[in-house]
Amino acid sequence: GAGVSQSPSNKVTEKGKDVELRCDPISGHTALYWYRQSLGQGLEFLIYFQGNSAPDKSGLPSDRFSAERTGGSVSTLTIQRTQQEDSAVYLCASSLTSGRGGDTQYFGPGTRLTVL
Amino acid sequence: AQRVTQPEKLLSVFKGAPVELKCNYSYSGSPELFWYVQYSRQRLQLLLRHISRESIKGFTADLNKGETSFHLKKPFAQEEDSAMYYCALSGGYYGQNFVFGPGTRLSVLP
Repeated sequence: GAGVSQSPSNKVTEKGKDVELRCDPISGHTALYWYRQSLGQGLEFLIYFQGNSAPDKSGLPSDRFSAERTGGSVSTLTIQRTQQEDSAVYLCASSLTSGRGGDTQYFGPGTRLTVL
Repeated sequence: AQRVTQPEKLLSVFKGAPVELKCNYSYSGSPELFWYVQYSRQRLQLLLRHISRESIKGFTADLNKGETSFHLKKPFAQEEDSAMYYCALSGGYYGQNFVFGPGTRLSVLP
């Protein structure tokens, strides 16, 4: 079956512009995660959705970052007024549930964002 | 606060040699621990999780709560094991607090 997909695969933007990154999770997966991987850095947790709700938004780096999920499926991560330090690979993952036991997360291919 | 450390950025071993990728964590509760792997040009994927107590591709990892460690081991490394390895911790009642370590790049030399 289809895995997690993300679009676009690459995005180059100018400083100050807004960008939207999209994630299509595996069908039926209720939990969805966003991570950021900067050059030479590990994975930084950004936000997690259970259904359409995001119980914990504390991982978002600043108020320029926001995310939503509609219909318990597709999620968009929006970065307003992009800065050069936002340049990174943004990874999305989904899992069947998010309960104790830590369901396996399935990762998408990522969106490489470059802010000039 | 939750934290995962992997002290080695790069680990090089020869084919057939034993390999151990170190992972230490700090967490006040009872975490779930995982190892994820990313092969060249492939997606990040789960390698194994401690609650399954399984061996995948010859790798095993034992959770040592006393030492707060979850080291990944394989007795005989293969060239195809070369990849980036991430140790991860899941905490919180709903398992939503997921923290990854910085990763260790394993290079298995012929």
